[in-house]
Amino acid sequence: GDSVTQTEGQVALSEEDFLTIHCNYSASGYPTLFWYVQYPGEGPQLLFRASRDKEKGSSRGFEATYDKGTTSFHLRKASVQESDSAVYYCALSENTGYQNFYFGKGTSLTVIP
Amino acid sequence: GGIITQTPKFLIGQEGQKLTLKCQQNFNHDTMYWYRQDSGKGLRLIYYSITENDLQKGDLSEGYDASREKKSSFSLTVTSAQKNEMAVFLCASSMAISNERLFFGHGTKLSVL
Repeated sequence: GDSVTQTEGQVALSEEDFLTIHCNYSASGYPTLFWYVQYPGEGPQLLFRASRDKEKGSSRGFEATYDKGTTSFHLRKASVQESDSAVYYCALSENTGYQNFYFGKGTSLTVIP
Repeated sequence: GGIITQTPKFLIGQEGQKLTLKCQQNFNHDTMYWYRQDSGKGLRLIYYSITENDLQKGDLSEGYDASREKKSSFSLTVTSAQKNEMAVFLCASSMAISNERLFFGHGTKLSVL
């Protein structure tokens, strides 16, 4: 079945550090890939998505590129800020007559000022 | 813009008790979802509904019932609360179109004494 794997469970960085959160997926078809961000006390919200091979999604300085060859959608940011501290979820959806979503286990990012 | 409202925000129950969580959305979305969020386990699908009066089981449906009596509302019942259980339940909705994202509520935090 479909699945999403996030390698890092927790990441701690200093402000202005470079961020990479790894996301690999397994899907039978051609899924849409998402990154969601969740701040304390809130539900996850969409950061961005990508639907085609080599498409880059980006928002608020974060970016990821859909790579069908390596089945990856790694999240990167060049210079993190304390306000980026949150939980990040990689997800995929396949259109099987309705929207069926699969989420990774989430990565908790803490940015130390 | 729309909003998803989950009630209550916090729910404290006793072991063996039947507990109901409610969700309302004003996006006019067809599809609604209930996810359970546990630390380190990500988001796991309990139930979803693709239209009024439709119910579909997710991977984690055992121990839960759901009800979709109106397009705008979707409720989840914990049939028998487990002692020391603690989790956040997230309601979400989406349009029934491929590549569309999920919109989430802020969650209901359940604690069982």
